[in-house]
Amino acid sequence: GIQVEQSPPDLILQEGANSTLRCNFSDSVNNLQWFHQNPWGQLINLFYIPSGTKQNGRLSATTVATERYSLLYISSSQTTDSGVYFCAVDTGRRALTFGSGTRLQVQP
Amino acid sequence: EPEVTQTPSHQVTQMGQEVILRCVPISNHLYFYWYRQILGQKVEFLVSFYNNEISEKSEIFDDQFSVERPDGSNFTLKIRSTKLEDSAMYFCASSDWSSGTEAFFGQGTRLTVV
Repeated sequence: GIQVEQSPPDLILQEGANSTLRCNFSDSVNNLQWFHQNPWGQLINLFYIPSGTKQNGRLSATTVATERYSLLYISSSQTTDSGVYFCAVDTGRRALTFGSGTRLQVQP
Repeated sequence: EPEVTQTPSHQVTQMGQEVILRCVPISNHLYFYWYRQILGQKVEFLVSFYNNEISEKSEIFDDQFSVERPDGSNFTLKIRSTKLEDSAMYFCASSDWSSGTEAFFGQGTRLTVV
């Protein structure tokens, strides 16, 4: 099956800093989503981005499908951004394969 | 904004007991899913359901698991005889054909088997 690798596994930032999270995948995909898992365990949809670039406030994402990677940018980080960020992909089976996540801690 | 809702939020059950986890998908969605996340690990696909039948299932989804859409709004996951290793967060999700394959997740049910 498809492999999804996320980096870095852990990230500690000071409030106000910017960061880039990366997701590499091993096969062509027709769906790529970024999620934020908050401290209560909820999975919050951030982006549906099988290709191209999208922005939503302080967050933006870019997927380069031909090179099989996606990037999630967080600017001016806040403590509420803390949690785990997951990338998940689907090759057309309607079964998302998740990466292992990036655990982000934003310190005040 | 429409959302996927799951009940209960937390369930504790004794090993060997049957549990039913319930979900109400977004009303105009056609595809329904169950995923699970063992504590500290990544989210894993269990099963997808479309047109009243299983569309895809993973190796995890063995004979002790079953899914059902008992009426026009609910979608359930049944675990027949729970084991300690079934302890996990279970997520229901749904998606709509017309909006691509973007899946929307519920808040999860934390299942603890003792």
